[in-house]
Amino acid sequence: SQKIEQNSEALNIQEGKTATLTCNYTNYSPAYLQWYRQDPGRGPVFLLLIRENEKEKRKERLKVTFDTTLKQSLFHITASQPADSATYLCALEGSSNTGKLIFGQGTTLQVKP
Amino acid sequence: DAGVTQSPTHLIKTRGQHVTLRCSPISGHKSVSWYQQVLGQGPQFIFQYYEKEERGRGNFPDRFSARQFPNYSSELNVNALLLGDSALYLCASSLGIGSLSYEQYFGPGTRLTVT
Repeated sequence: SQKIEQNSEALNIQEGKTATLTCNYTNYSPAYLQWYRQDPGRGPVFLLLIRENEKEKRKERLKVTFDTTLKQSLFHITASQPADSATYLCALEGSSNTGKLIFGQGTTLQVKP
Repeated sequence: DAGVTQSPTHLIKTRGQHVTLRCSPISGHKSVSWYQQVLGQGPQFIFQYYEKEERGRGNFPDRFSARQFPNYSSELNVNALLLGDSALYLCASSLGIGSLSYEQYFGPGTRLTVT
């Protein structure tokens, strides 16, 4: 069955450094992959979508890579700030045309001033 | 513009009871999806509705049902509540289906506690 894995351990980094989060998946070839941010008690907020034919995508301080051979996506936040502290979720298209997303369990990022 | 809205914000129910959760999508969005998020886990897909038709269903028992109204708002119903149904229930809206469903916008969720 389709499976998505994210680092279950929290990632603690110093302000100004680059945070790198990993998302690995198995038994699937998704047309796209998404990253969401979720703050405690709130709904996920869409950040970036990258399609299978794209290797890299950037948005301000965010960068996402998508390696369909390794079945892995990396999510980078450069010049991290304490306000970036949150849980980041990776999501794959579950099946075509249904809008079903399969989420990883999320990685919590803590940026220390 | 208003984002996705959900009501109620919090809800406490007793085992065996029934619950109805409501969602209003972003204006112009015709598709609504429902997700269940248990503490410490990612959201899990329950349903997707588009133009009042069910377009996708996750691995949830028949106690879970939903519908979409002509104004594209939606209701999620859960019957015979179990303790394990305690979770954050999220509604997400998108423009449509297929490539129009790629970007989904989530509401703040309804926190359901079953005692």
